[in-house]
Amino acid sequence: AQSVTQLDSHVSVSEGTPVLLRCNYSSSYSPSLFWYVQHPNKGLQLLLKYTSAATLVKGINGFEAEFKKSETSFHLTKPSAHMSDAAEYFCVVRDTNFGNEKLTFGTGTRLTIIP
Amino acid sequence: DTGVSQNPRHKITKRGQNVTFRCDPISEHNRLYWYRQTLGQGPEFLTYFQNEAQLEKSRLLSDRFSAERPKGSFSTLEIQRTEQGDSAMYLCASSLSDYYGYTFGSGTRLTVV
Repeated sequence: AQSVTQLDSHVSVSEGTPVLLRCNYSSSYSPSLFWYVQHPNKGLQLLLKYTSAATLVKGINGFEAEFKKSETSFHLTKPSAHMSDAAEYFCVVRDTNFGNEKLTFGTGTRLTIIP
Repeated sequence: DTGVSQNPRHKITKRGQNVTFRCDPISEHNRLYWYRQTLGQGPEFLTYFQNEAQLEKSRLLSDRFSAERPKGSFSTLEIQRTEQGDSAMYLCASSLSDYYGYTFGSGTRLTVV
């Protein structure tokens, strides 16, 4: 079975400081992992993905995530927050067993940027 | 290619009425998905098509819900006898595979009054 836990429902950081959004996953198989961002009244946009290649994944807009199997974590980071990063962020997991096409989303982390 | 298109953007309906939503995926994507998102929650999986075949359905998809993808291109999601609990954002996504990620549409927001 697959599941994902986003450890913080709300994160506030000052502009220009680092961002850390935490995600732990559970997977019965080798997982694929994703981070999506959702701006108000906008669709979900893919930030980055892990699909069994390099464990440090670089995405758009300066975001990165590291797949740590021993810790079952896939935390999202950015060195310096920008006002435009304010949004809802979702960690997503999919077990890569044959026939499973279901994505399981976390409950989301709302990121607020303080000017 | 302008991405995944969903229509209508908003739908307000009276309880008990039927509604139908449409999704036009990215043209070369053979996989199409429907998700439902309620306020303050992450999207929840409803159903999956590979080409025209519906291969997976969630238990969330009651018998009032039906989805089709008749020619392996666009898809429709119909809700019969709508209930207030059906009020949500209905999202469509399409994909070639995990490697390329999943592209989501902007969704159809359903309000049942």
